[in-house]
Amino acid sequence: NAGVTQTPKFRILKIGQSMTLQCTQDMNHNYMYWYRQDPGMGLKLIYYSVGAGITDKGEVPNGYNVSRSTTEDFPLRLELAAPSQTSVYFCASAHVWGGTDTQYFGPGTRLTVL
Amino acid sequence: KNEVEQSPQNLTAQEGEFITINCSYSVGISALHWLQQHPGGGIVSLFMLSSGKKKHGRLIATINIQEKHSSLHITASHPRDSAVYICAVSARGTSGSRLTFGEGTQLTVNP
Repeated sequence: NAGVTQTPKFRILKIGQSMTLQCTQDMNHNYMYWYRQDPGMGLKLIYYSVGAGITDKGEVPNGYNVSRSTTEDFPLRLELAAPSQTSVYFCASAHVWGGTDTQYFGPGTRLTVL
Repeated sequence: KNEVEQSPQNLTAQEGEFITINCSYSVGISALHWLQQHPGGGIVSLFMLSSGKKKHGRLIATINIQEKHSSLHITASHPRDSAVYICAVSARGTSGSRLTFGEGTQLTVNP
């Protein structure tokens, strides 16, 4: 199993550009998450999904969109990139049934907006 | 005030020392997680616990639900233990098994 994979690993965007961060998991997990990690700060939840076709906002959803058309994929879309979106983005997945469970993280995408 | 507070923020130890990292939280939880973030950035889950104590190799995690406090201990520390250790909680009643994270403790173990 590859686990959780993310692409790209690094990206530089200009202000106003758009991009999609890809996330795929091969563990048949029902729950998937997108986080951002800013220097010296804890991980913050952007969006999450409890299954295909179901998504919901986290703590910091502004400027982002997600979709979950399959169990495996959970892409994160940035529209009109801003310098405040410079961060490291982590995707995670978990098999959750009746409670919380261990989350498995992807390797991260380091995004810089100039 | 953050819902999850870790201490210390930074910790430097000599190889072989016993290390303790603390986590306090302010909400009712269904579980507490300890994670490790490697120098290269990857994040792995070490423990998930809702009561008592868990042990894996040289790592021990304890939780006191009444005091809303958890500790992560590393026995016989080694330079390869150098990483950021992150405490996170799953608050009771939140949807999606969402986690709230502490800011992390940067551990450096010198040979």
